[in-house]
Amino acid sequence: QKEVEQDPGPLSVPEGAIVSLNCTYSNSAFQYFMWYRQYSRKGPELLMYTYSSGNKEDGRFTAQVDKSSKYISLFIRDSQPSDSATYLCAMEQNSGGSNYKLTFGKGTLLTVNP
Amino acid sequence: GAVVSQHPSRVICKSGTSVKIECRSLDFQATTMFWYRQFPKQSLMLMATSNEGSKATYEQGVEKDKFLINHASLTLSTLTVTSAHPEDSSFYICSARSGLRYSYNSPLHFGNGTRLTVT
Repeated sequence: QKEVEQDPGPLSVPEGAIVSLNCTYSNSAFQYFMWYRQYSRKGPELLMYTYSSGNKEDGRFTAQVDKSSKYISLFIRDSQPSDSATYLCAMEQNSGGSNYKLTFGKGTLLTVNP
Repeated sequence: GAVVSQHPSRVICKSGTSVKIECRSLDFQATTMFWYRQFPKQSLMLMATSNEGSKATYEQGVEKDKFLINHASLTLSTLTVTSAHPEDSSFYICSARSGLRYSYNSPLHFGNGTRLTVT
């Protein structure tokens, strides 16, 4: 079983829809949870990060973490064509001292159609 | 905000030659930088952790003699792909933390990547 599982999609939604993106993980040592957005041929851009179970909201984006179920989600409200990108979940654990190791999911390709 | 600059964005080279990729932190000092590799429709795979003033730490299965990393200053790390072969063709991305350890003030910032094609 991979440490981080993410459905690669592709996911296609109409403009204005609510998008739900999810990842599951098996490593209970993960402490920090992030969502990155990656446009084609670009580096990942950090969207959301959290370290505790519960919800965190930032504009149209809500990140949800359920540590007991080892499940994280990203919700996008009022989706826009400009949200079309690959969304990567990422999780981080302390790998010794002040070193932290980041593990990415495979990414979900999202297309928002106008 | 913190910016990581990566150069070149794209490079095509012949098999057997070496290619150097630069990663710079533009407005912050980065004691640690990370080099990732990404194949089409795949996730980012950590190759190595670059530490300023000391040797890089390579992930299992990554050849340190093939992927030379130099982190000579707090704002620059370089990855040199030596004797490149077609199977080394990939998207290489660097990243850096703006702080000494992860906190709300020191997220991981990524460069825009370098697409290497070896012919």
